[in-house]
Amino acid sequence: GQQLNQSPQSMFIQEGEDVSMNCTSSSIFNTWLWYKQDPGEGPVLLIALYKAGELTSNGRLTAQFGITRKDSFLNISASIPSDVGIYFCAGRPLLIYGGSQGNLIFGKGTKLSVKP
Amino acid sequence: GAVVSQHPSRVICKSGTSVKIECRSLDFQATTMFWYRQFPKKSLMLMATSNEGSKATYEQGVEKDKFLINHASLTLSTLTVTSAHPEDSSFYICSAPPLGWGGGTDTQYFGPGTRLTVL
Repeated sequence: GQQLNQSPQSMFIQEGEDVSMNCTSSSIFNTWLWYKQDPGEGPVLLIALYKAGELTSNGRLTAQFGITRKDSFLNISASIPSDVGIYFCAGRPLLIYGGSQGNLIFGKGTKLSVKP
Repeated sequence: GAVVSQHPSRVICKSGTSVKIECRSLDFQATTMFWYRQFPKKSLMLMATSNEGSKATYEQGVEKDKFLINHASLTLSTLTVTSAHPEDSSFYICSAPPLGWGGGTDTQYFGPGTRLTVL
C-alpha cells in the first residue's frame, strides 16, 4: 500500500529558529494535509493543499504541494515554545492507486521540541 | 470551525469486557466518519469507515467482529471494542468530513481521541 516518508523524525531547536519538515511518497497524491497533534489530543488541521505547486501560508506556517505530486513540505518561521508537538503530514492518494475515497495516509510524524 | 467530540476521553476496563466509544459531530452533519487507532509515538492508522445507514467498511487486517461500528445518525458514530484485551489498549480517534463532502476539497475534522487501557 501507499506509504509516506516523513522527515525528520524529531527536531530540537532554539526558540526563534525556522523549522522545515517534509513528506515524500512513492505514488501520486491529490491532496496533502498538515496536522499538529498535542499530547492526548486529536490532530488539528494546519494547512490543506489541493493543487500541484500550491504554496499556502497560515500565520508563521507555510506549506507547499510538490509539483511531482509526490511530496510536500512544511516550514515554521520564528518558532516559539507553543510550537512544540507532533506534526503529521497526510495525503489522499489517487483512487487509481487503490486508495479508498477519503482514506488519508499519514506520515509517522515529526516531533518538535523547542528550547525556551 | 467544525467540532467533533468523543466520549469518553479516557477509559480503563478489565480484560474481557466491552467498551463503547462515541464520536459526535457537534455543528455539522456527517454521513461518513472515520475511526483511527494510534499507538504511542506512532502515526494514525485507519481502522474503518463508518457510513450512516449502511455497514461500515473495514481496512484490511481489522476484525469487524472485534470492532463493532454503528453510525446511528448523521451526527453520531459508535465504536465498540468487544471482549477487550490488553493488546487493544490504544488511542482511538474519529474524524468526520462535513455533509456534502465529495472526497475532494473538503477535509476531515478530528475528535480529541479516547485513551483505552485494558487491564
